[in-house]
Amino acid sequence: GAGVSQSPSNKVTEKGKDVELRCDPISGHTALYWYRQSLGQGLEFLIYFQGNSAPDKSGLPSDRFSAERTGGSVSTLTIQRTQQEDSAVYLCASGTGTIDTQYFGPGTRLTVL
Amino acid sequence: GQNIDQPTEMTATEGAIVQINCTYQTSGFNGLFWYQQHAGEAPTFLSYNVLDGLEEKGRFSSFLSRSKGYSYLLLKELQMKDSASYLCAVRNAGKSTFGDGTTLTVKP
Repeated sequence: GAGVSQSPSNKVTEKGKDVELRCDPISGHTALYWYRQSLGQGLEFLIYFQGNSAPDKSGLPSDRFSAERTGGSVSTLTIQRTQQEDSAVYLCASGTGTIDTQYFGPGTRLTVL
Repeated sequence: GQNIDQPTEMTATEGAIVQINCTYQTSGFNGLFWYQQHAGEAPTFLSYNVLDGLEEKGRFSSFLSRSKGYSYLLLKELQMKDSASYLCAVRNAGKSTFGDGTTLTVKP
């Protein structure tokens, strides 16, 4: 596709359930980034991938959060046993390298009831 | 770690010039980026600086002083559509630390 896509666009779940968020980066982009943004706040770094490797996982808030990337393309962010404080917009971005412009997807709005 | 500070809100008049400042303390630095984010939308790239000095891109310019830990985004000939949040971000390898954003309101 022409840009970064994310699915689903909206996700409402119950506390304690697991959720999986998907990101399709721009074709050919080797770097992929996950952020989350709470209402009225800046972006909080979660994790980034260079190819299929994640050199920096320091932003993951807890061990309930995990992410993987396969084939140097699609990435999934999994949140286990969701909590209400996980409610936010989860944004994915991709780029051609780790020091480059990031192109953001439209985000997934997660609401945990 | 990284700490990014920028004003929470600014107001300016259509046709005017506005400067949005960003200060940072960092343990690593590979560049400073500015993004624009309209309400309910994803951020879009505006400008970035790796070396000291001014980078100009049409109506938008960005300045960096690494020794002072300081950057600004300059918007000229403001238009109503420039009303948005402006995010300053410091890159350290693959990790970006964002400020909380400056909400700019452009009035007629």
